[in-house]
Amino acid sequence: SQQGEEDPQALSIQEGENATMNCSYKTSINNLQWYRQNSGRGLVHLILIRSNEREKHSGRLRVTLDTSKKSSSLLITASRAADTASYFCATVLNQAGTALIFGKGTTLSVSS
Amino acid sequence: DAGVIQSPRHEVTEMGQEVTLRCKPISGHNSLFWYRQTMMRGLELLIYFNNNVPIDDSGMPEDRFSAKMPNASFSTLKIQPSEPRDSAVYFCASSRLAPSSYNEQFFGPGTRLTVL
Repeated sequence: SQQGEEDPQALSIQEGENATMNCSYKTSINNLQWYRQNSGRGLVHLILIRSNEREKHSGRLRVTLDTSKKSSSLLITASRAADTASYFCATVLNQAGTALIFGKGTTLSVSS
Repeated sequence: DAGVIQSPRHEVTEMGQEVTLRCKPISGHNSLFWYRQTMMRGLELLIYFNNNVPIDDSGMPEDRFSAKMPNASFSTLKIQPSEPRDSAVYFCASSRLAPSSYNEQFFGPGTRLTVL
């Protein structure tokens, strides 16, 4: 099945640095969403970007979408230790309506 | 709002036993999803319901897996008989059945299943 692929698989940075994660997908989408998962917890929705949008901001988060390249990026600015988590992109297919297809995730570690 | 509620949070069972996982979606949400998460395969969609009706169960791995949603506030995922390779964290998520341009899903805390 179609699936987002995050890159890198793992990322380690220092507090205060920016973290950039990328996601590539295979087919046309309706929208793309980013989720965070803290260890041992469920996923939490972070931000959604529609296929007709190119950039979106939410607090320290910045998401871009390039539908011509079928890719998205999530930027976390001024990272904090509390940002340590796994981050997943999820796509909603044009024809699917409600089902999300998740990638394998990027594990972010922020050290203080 | 209590969020999505799953029970049990942890389940340890022996191979061959029946396992039933339970989920209560957020009130007012009419889409419900069951996922399985493992290190090897990541997060897999098993089945989802819209208005209590199963829409896509193509992710259900085998006939040993079954899911029901008898009403808008309750769903079960059953594995019978269970096998060690079923060990995983099972998540339930719910969302509003909105126009497809907005489908934020709310996840439960998960059930960690260990089959010995």
